[in-house]
Amino acid sequence: SQQGEEDPQALSIQEGENATMNCSYKTSINNLQWYRQNSGRGLVHLILIRSNEREKHSGRLRVTLDTSKKSSSLLITASRAADTASYFCATDGNSYKLIFGSGTRLLVRP
Amino acid sequence: EAQVTQNPRYLITVTGKKLTVTCSQNMNHEYMSWYRQDPGLGLRQIYYSMNVEVTDKGDVPEGYKVSRKEKRNFPLILESPSPNQTSLYFCASSLTQGTQPQHFGDGTRLSIL
Repeated sequence: SQQGEEDPQALSIQEGENATMNCSYKTSINNLQWYRQNSGRGLVHLILIRSNEREKHSGRLRVTLDTSKKSSSLLITASRAADTASYFCATDGNSYKLIFGSGTRLLVRP
Repeated sequence: EAQVTQNPRYLITVTGKKLTVTCSQNMNHEYMSWYRQDPGLGLRQIYYSMNVEVTDKGDVPEGYKVSRKEKRNFPLILESPSPNQTSLYFCASSLTQGTQPQHFGDGTRLSIL
């Protein structure tokens, strides 16, 4: 079974708006990561948040983690057309490897 | 530039014809792995390697082989490909462990007829 599940599956916004994606997971974790995948390309690591952290920022990205609810959110502020991609959360789930969710497809309209 | 390089990027072949997808990383990473990505099924790990000569099965290893003779290379071998192995394949690497941030290659799209 998948550890992380993203919500929504697809999101369409206007350039300049904020985009929020959510990830829910099932078991306890040591860290949670977010990745971006542009069409036809490999995944790119965006940010890692540890289980003892509640919020983390990187440029226009803001990630929150609520371990009591087993959920995380990724906020992209002031979105650009270049942000159009699929976004995946990945958790370690006390395992030896990451388990990826099914992703949120983000479309940023110019 | 730090990168994971896969070859080929695209391949159309026929059932039963052995093929190898190469993967090379230039970051001196110990951990390497292979994933396949299928619509609705997400990313699933095929095999992983913790270091030279150390490999182990992931979630979907059937029909695949790997080897790790050198630290930088981790080829994926399909000895007798079948149509259900048609997929998008990714090689990834990380410093020492599978739970660290992964560096992915750009993918290999395999079509097996």
